[in-house]
Amino acid sequence: QLQLQESGPGLVKPSETLSLTCSVSGGSISGSIYYWGWIRQPPGKGLEWIGSVFYTGSTYYNPSLKSRVTILADTPKNQFSLQLTSVTAADTAVYYCARHRRYGAGILDYFDPWGQGTLVTVSS
Amino acid sequence: QSALTQPASVSGSPGQSITISCTGTSSDVGGYNYVSWYQQHPGKAPKLMIFDVSNRPSGVSDRFSGSKSGNTASLTISGLQAEDEADYYCSSYTSSSSVVFGGGTKVTVL
Repeated sequence: QLQLQESGPGLVKPSETLSLTCSVSGGSISGSIYYWGWIRQPPGKGLEWIGSVFYTGSTYYNPSLKSRVTILADTPKNQFSLQLTSVTAADTAVYYCARHRRYGAGILDYFDPWGQGTLVTVSS
Repeated sequence: QSALTQPASVSGSPGQSITISCTGTSSDVGGYNYVSWYQQHPGKAPKLMIFDVSNRPSGVSDRFSGSKSGNTASLTISGLQAEDEADYYCSSYTSSSSVVFGGGTKVTVL
């Protein structure tokens, strides 16, 4: 059974870089039909897709966050990571990682399964 | 990209059916059959309930069904049960090779 687990600092200072890792167990991230994605949810608000990475390193990002986001795949460690630069209080959220189904070139479909999520607070 | 439009809340009595709408544009919901629905209980991660407009993953109750007409997708919960009380989010692939979520709908079982 595929499981995903987010890890990283729970507190980040304004203007610094948020860094999270998603560890995948029960399956390999090196499959041909899945991307691996990050989604966030500010407290009391809805879901926002951040971006997704293929095991080859190919990425797709939310246009609204693209200038600040980097998502990388680490196939030997079976992990993928998120970096979000120049954070502000608006980046405070629960961050989820999830497997992201793909169809053909650039078609991104559903997320399943999801990690349990990790709360990241941006505050000095 | 703008979030898909969902009603903030929908309610129903046990045993009834309710429908949640998800309205987008021809660049997302209307243009592709890559619409999915997620259920989220408080403090928990979202769970996939419907994918590709109307397909149910293994293990999801057949009381949940999905459909689409034009730029609006819908999730119907029949035989409403107390355990269905949760937040529900729709999602769609977009023409800019990205993903957009709806704002979420809180389902209350009266």
